[in-house]
Amino acid sequence: DTEVTQTPKHLVMGMTNKKSLKCEQHMGHRAMYWYKQKAKKPPELMFVYSYEKLSINESVPSRFSPECPNSSLLNLHLHALQPEDSALYLCASSQGVSNYGYTFGSGTRLTVV
Amino acid sequence: GESVGLHLPTLSVQEGDNSIINCAYSNSASDYFIWYKQESGKGPQFIIDIRSNMDKRQGQRVTVLLNKTVKHLSLQIAATQPGDSAVYFCAENPNQGPGANSKLTFGKGITLSVRP
Repeated sequence: DTEVTQTPKHLVMGMTNKKSLKCEQHMGHRAMYWYKQKAKKPPELMFVYSYEKLSINESVPSRFSPECPNSSLLNLHLHALQPEDSALYLCASSQGVSNYGYTFGSGTRLTVV
Repeated sequence: GESVGLHLPTLSVQEGDNSIINCAYSNSASDYFIWYKQESGKGPQFIIDIRSNMDKRQGQRVTVLLNKTVKHLSLQIAATQPGDSAVYFCAENPNQGPGANSKLTFGKGITLSVRP
């Protein structure tokens, strides 16, 4: 298995809802990442997990809460989001913690209404 | 082929021609670089990478060139095909020391459009 799988592919949520994005990989990668991508813009790093521990938080608002239950899974919990948080949320993984290419999932297209 | 910097959003090439996509990176501490291709509705797809101890690396129909002196990276695509139409991003990873987490940062991206 050489893929990163993200679910759901599309999500519409209200500003008072709580939802979660899920990401899974079975390549034995030890680093996992969340990126946010707005239309016609490059992906922007949000969080880095290394060996299941949060190692980088790029000053992301607390309404985004990441979780890494085990080495294969990465979640992003969403609560009280704003319409400007609508974007494509990408999960990625890499073999090691430095200087390796990332494998990206297809993303979750999130719309906040 | 046609060479366009990333300050221009779209590169249009004729099918069968060679394409050259350029990228100026900003961090002189970066020692690992990757080109990604992103098709509509999909996540970025790894194309080719290069480490800072190399000037050139070749893959299948693609070549990446690195000029550290002027902090310039380019992607050359030979015999461009319609399936090459996508947005292309360069990405850099600053060297933060042994064992430090990678922090891949993406450039602005350029759309490659292949005319049949």
